[in-house]
Amino acid sequence: KAGVTQTPRYLIKTRGQQVTLSCSPISGHRSVSWYQQTPGQGLQFLFEYFSETQRNKGNFPGRFSGRQFSNSRSEMNVSTLELGDSALYLCASSPGPDREERYGYTFGSGTRLTVV
Amino acid sequence: DAKTTQPNSMESNEEEPVHLPCNHSTISGTDYIHWYRQLPSQGPEYVIHGLTSNVNNRMASLAIAEDRKSSTLILHRATLRDAAVYYCILSDNYGQNFVFGPGTRLSVLP
Repeated sequence: KAGVTQTPRYLIKTRGQQVTLSCSPISGHRSVSWYQQTPGQGLQFLFEYFSETQRNKGNFPGRFSGRQFSNSRSEMNVSTLELGDSALYLCASSPGPDREERYGYTFGSGTRLTVV
Repeated sequence: DAKTTQPNSMESNEEEPVHLPCNHSTISGTDYIHWYRQLPSQGPEYVIHGLTSNVNNRMASLAIAEDRKSSTLILHRATLRDAAVYYCILSDNYGQNFVFGPGTRLSVLP
């Protein structure tokens, strides 16, 4: 079956712009989480969505937002980009958000965002 | 959130077993222990998970201490493809807040 698909793979934006990243989960997976990975901070949790509702949010400013559609596809948006937002943004899907289903956490290859 | 501590890096020779340790002294009774690994230029990949008993799958084995304050991921025969960053993660009561630490960078020498 197809894995988690993230688009685009690479993106270059200018400081102050906004960006939208897309994630298509594995078919049948209903939970989608987003992570930011930087060399300095490692992998940091952004937010998790299930049934179009944000279930949990990490410690990021309000410029970072997301949403999930009825087909479980998810988008994240970053407004007013800063140089420090340059990172690899990873999306992960699982069958559901509960502990017993967490082992099915499958990551995409990520979107590499560069802010100049 | 319960935290984990892992060595920054480890080295192994190809075709030898590798034991990757993880300390989680503040683990709660309902936390699961998960291991993921991240190969270069890829997203993290699920390796194994467990609660109290030792677990085996086609990729690795997970040995969990009796007091659950530590665990060890065992790769039975390391290959060059196993060179990656290995993350030990605890999940809380509701499977939320998947917190990744710095992980252990495993190098496999031919």
